[in-house]
Amino acid sequence: GENVEQHPSTLSVQEGDSAVIKCTYSDSASNYFPWYKQELGKRPQLIIDIRSNVGEKKDQRIAVTLNKTAKHFSLHITETQPEDSAVYFCAASMGWGGGADGLTFGKGTHLIIQP
Amino acid sequence: NAGVTQTPKFRVLKTGQSMTLLCAQDMNHEYMYWYRQDPGMGLRLIHYSVGEGTTAKGEVPDGYNVSRLKKQNFLLGLESAAPSQTSVYFCASSSTSGVQETQYFGPGTRLLVL
Repeated sequence: GENVEQHPSTLSVQEGDSAVIKCTYSDSASNYFPWYKQELGKRPQLIIDIRSNVGEKKDQRIAVTLNKTAKHFSLHITETQPEDSAVYFCAASMGWGGGADGLTFGKGTHLIIQP
Repeated sequence: NAGVTQTPKFRVLKTGQSMTLLCAQDMNHEYMYWYRQDPGMGLRLIHYSVGEGTTAKGEVPDGYNVSRLKKQNFLLGLESAAPSQTSVYFCASSSTSGVQETQYFGPGTRLLVL
């Protein structure tokens, strides 16, 4: 089955700086890669996703890049703010029509924004 | 529109007891999922369903059973709870139009097995 590795496990950055979280996946058939943000005691919330037919996607301060050849994808957060502090999860799925098989998650990155 | 809801929010069980966790969604989604989240482990898929009356095993199905008798509900059962099943359980749902669509998560159920 699919295996997703996520690094780093903890990331501390100064407010206003950029943060980058990286993930690798094992199954070349995976074609859907979402990122979730989870605050303490809350449910995971989708912040951005990318499909294998694109290499980059941006939404305001957040961007995701995908390198299918190398089987890795990254989350970039610019101009970090205190409310960005949370645990971030990457995930991968084959998700083809006719049977969505669920997401395989990385183990998470605890992002800490230092004031 | 409540989205995805879960019942109960928190439960304490003794080893060997049984219980059922209920997930409900009002978005008319075909697909529903049960995940468990343990510290440092991310979320792991237990079982999933691609439609009413169908279920399939995920990554960690042992010790759990599921049923999808109605499209809007997905039940997760523990027949004989074990301390290793202490976890936070999240349900999710998604629609499909031939490609993977966003999964929306419920608020979670915290289960403690003593």
